[in-house]
Amino acid sequence: GDSVTQMEGPVTLSEEAFLTINCTYTATGYPSLFWYVQYPGEGLQLLLKATKADDKGSNKGFEATYRKETTSFHLEKGSVQVSDSAVYFCALTAAGGTSYGKLTFGQGTILTVHP
Amino acid sequence: DAGVTQSPTHLIKTRGQQVTLRCSPKSGHDTVSWYQQALGQGPQFIFQYYEEEERQRGNFPDRFSGHQFPNYSSELNVNALLLGDSALYLCASSFDRANPDQPQHFGDGTRLSIL
Repeated sequence: GDSVTQMEGPVTLSEEAFLTINCTYTATGYPSLFWYVQYPGEGLQLLLKATKADDKGSNKGFEATYRKETTSFHLEKGSVQVSDSAVYFCALTAAGGTSYGKLTFGQGTILTVHP
Repeated sequence: DAGVTQSPTHLIKTRGQQVTLRCSPKSGHDTVSWYQQALGQGPQFIFQYYEEEERQRGNFPDRFSGHQFPNYSSELNVNALLLGDSALYLCASSFDRANPDQPQHFGDGTRLSIL
């Protein structure tokens, strides 16, 4: 079945540091890939998405590139802020079949940014 | 424009009881999905409703059931509650189930605690 694996956390950085959170996936067909962010006490917010190979999703300084050859969708940001502290989830939806429209999530990565 | 709203925000039940959680989708959305998020884990797909029918189901027992109403709102029912059902229950809505690229919008969830 479909699965998503994220780097084990938590990740602790100083403000203005470079961020990478690794994400790899297993899926049949050509999935769409997403990063969601969850702030304390809140639901999930879509951060960015990519729907086909080599697409780059970007939002609020975050970027991720859909790499089909390595089945990866790593999240990056050049300079993190304290306000970026949250839990980040990588997710996919598979196109067609029984997984249509169903989001499969990774386990999440806790990011803490210190001033 | 109201987003996805869920009620109640918190709920405490005892083992063996039954519970009903409610969700109103974002305006213009017609598809509702439910997820269970255990502490420290990524959300797990329970089921999805479209046109008042359950279209997809994850690996959850029959104790978990749902309903979608003509106004697209939805309920999640859990019978014979177990301690392991303690979790954050998230509702997500989207438009056009046939297009998995449409992002799902999440509510803030209902925190269910089983004593």
